[in-house]
Amino acid sequence: EAGVVQSPRYKIIEKKQPVAFWCNPISGHNTLYWYRQNLGQGPELLIRYENEEAVDDSQLPKDRFSAERLKGVDSTLKIQPAELGDSAVYLCASSPRVRQVDNEQFFGPGTRLTVL
Amino acid sequence: GQNIDQPTEMTATEGAIVQINCTYQTSGFNGLFWYQQHAGEAPTFLSYNVLDGLEEKGRFSSFLSRSKGYSYLLLKELQMKDSASYLCALNDMRFGAGTRLTVKP
Repeated sequence: EAGVVQSPRYKIIEKKQPVAFWCNPISGHNTLYWYRQNLGQGPELLIRYENEEAVDDSQLPKDRFSAERLKGVDSTLKIQPAELGDSAVYLCASSPRVRQVDNEQFFGPGTRLTVL
Repeated sequence: GQNIDQPTEMTATEGAIVQINCTYQTSGFNGLFWYQQHAGEAPTFLSYNVLDGLEEKGRFSSFLSRSKGYSYLLLKELQMKDSASYLCALNDMRFGAGTRLTVKP
């Protein structure tokens, strides 16, 4: 079974430029998460989707970040414009079911973003 | 992560046993996860506890005390490949900062 796929794996951009990350979850997984992880820290949830609905985006900086999950399958996270502090690893994860308390998350390899 | 505390670093010897603690504060508890994350890689699931007590899974065990807001991950017969960060996370998707474990020969 293929795991969570993310692209690109690495991205270097200059500040004020836009950037987009793509995630394809494990087939059949209804819940999708986007996290940001800074060096030496745990992942920080940005947004959670149940199917195509964003059910938790309270930590998403909406002035510059946006996300979509059309058709409830793959998802895109965008930053526009990027700032120096956005340099981090952006992780996508998926879980099999919605509203399930023991929902194990399967993580993708992440996209390492460097903003210069 | 806010209100989830873990030691930053630990060191142990190959073949030994190590216990990694996690304390948390939450208004609505629905379970606690442990994940392993090797440097430069994604986290992978280790265990899930929702009831008090010890859950054993091979060399790894996880313990939970809901009344104390406390969990630990126990790693037995340590191997060099166990060198990684260990993250505890609540069911509301809040993660601790992780404990970086170094296993020495």
